[in-house]
Amino acid sequence: KNQVEQSPQSLIILEGKNCTLQCNYTVSPFSNLRWYKQDTGRGPVSLTIMTFSENTKSNGRYTATLDADTKQSSLHITASQLSDSASYICVVSALAGGFKTIFGAGTRLFVKA
Amino acid sequence: NAGVTQTPKFQVLKTGQSMTLQCAQDMNHNSMYWYRQDPGMGLRLIYYSASEGTTDKGEVPNGYNVSRLNKREFSLRLESAAPSQTSVYFCASSEGPGRTEAFFGQGTRLTVV
Repeated sequence: KNQVEQSPQSLIILEGKNCTLQCNYTVSPFSNLRWYKQDTGRGPVSLTIMTFSENTKSNGRYTATLDADTKQSSLHITASQLSDSASYICVVSALAGGFKTIFGAGTRLFVKA
Repeated sequence: NAGVTQTPKFQVLKTGQSMTLQCAQDMNHNSMYWYRQDPGMGLRLIYYSASEGTTDKGEVPNGYNVSRLNKREFSLRLESAAPSQTSVYFCASSEGPGRTEAFFGQGTRLTVV
């Protein structure tokens, strides 16, 4: 069964600290993996997208890694800011004929002053 | 450049009532999607339109219908609303299905009482 599991469900960190969010997937055959940021009351916004051959992708203070062999990805946030408080969603797409994209339930990040 | 615009932003319906959620994108994207987001769960695909003139069922299509009116517009209709359809609905668009970044609207928060 195609699944995307994220951990932790929620996380509280102090402003300025780093954190790492995890994503494990069983989606097959793999096409790409994306991380989205969703602010409260808003739609998700793409942070990074990685294909099978990419193992690291950065977007400012956000760095995503991908290990296609173990089917794991992480999103590392450096020097967190209050504006990083949001849900972070891991999304995996399959190469299967037709459209198949699986969303994780997300990690809710709270950054405190 | 407005991106993806959804209307309305909020709606309360009584059980059995019908309504149409509207979505328009101005990015000349081929593919459009309707998702629902429920607490503790990942976004689930209701219907999608890979290209103008085509529509296909997603993971949770029961109780919904869609119309791809033209390349810009993709509407979602609830014919007889049920409390189980209380959710936040997101419209999204992308250049093509699955492999490219999806851009999301702001969401419609629907409550069925």
